[in-house]
Amino acid sequence: GQQVMQIPQYQHVQEGEDFTTYCNSSTTLSNIQWYKQRPGGHPVFLIQLVKSGEVKKQKRLTFQFGEAKKNSSLHITATQTTDVGTYFCAGVPNAGGTSYGKLTFGQGTILTVHP
Amino acid sequence: DAGITQSPRHKVTETGTPVTLRCHQTENHRYMYWYRQDPGHGLRLIHYSYGVKDTDKGEVSDGYSVSRSKTEDFLLTLESATSSQTSVYFCAISEKGAGYEQYFGPGTRLTVT
Repeated sequence: GQQVMQIPQYQHVQEGEDFTTYCNSSTTLSNIQWYKQRPGGHPVFLIQLVKSGEVKKQKRLTFQFGEAKKNSSLHITATQTTDVGTYFCAGVPNAGGTSYGKLTFGQGTILTVHP
Repeated sequence: DAGITQSPRHKVTETGTPVTLRCHQTENHRYMYWYRQDPGHGLRLIHYSYGVKDTDKGEVSDGYSVSRSKTEDFLLTLESATSSQTSVYFCAISEKGAGYEQYFGPGTRLTVT
């Protein structure tokens, strides 16, 4: 079945440093979503990318979807302590049919930010 | 936050006992999902529903069953709990399906002793 791999598993940064997490799928994706989970909380939707090569920005966060629609990345510029949490990518396989099927999550990257 | 509640929020149970977790939504969304979250595994889909009485299996469905008799409620049942089912369980809802954003409930922490 479809696999979504996410690296790194952990990332420790000093406040002000940049951070990037990468997501790779074993199959082509119709779209990819990113979620953030604060410690002790639940995942919260951040963004969805649909088009090949798409780049979207949310303040200090930059999201990219690869040209082949099999990989994605999230880059945070100048991290702040409020960025602490686990970042998940989640993909929907480009297998046609209905879209209510299965969203496959990566394992997540746990980000800690030292002040 | 979307109107999603989960009950109970915490539960400790013994191996072999049945357990039912409840997810309730007030958003009238068609799609509902049950995930489990374990360290190193991210979120794994257990079962999902695409309408009342319409459900399908996810990637880790063994040992779990679900029911959806009303739009607002999605129940997850562990027929005979095992220690490997100790986990945090999240319910999620979506208006249009997996290709669209999902809203998660607060989670249920289940411990099977």
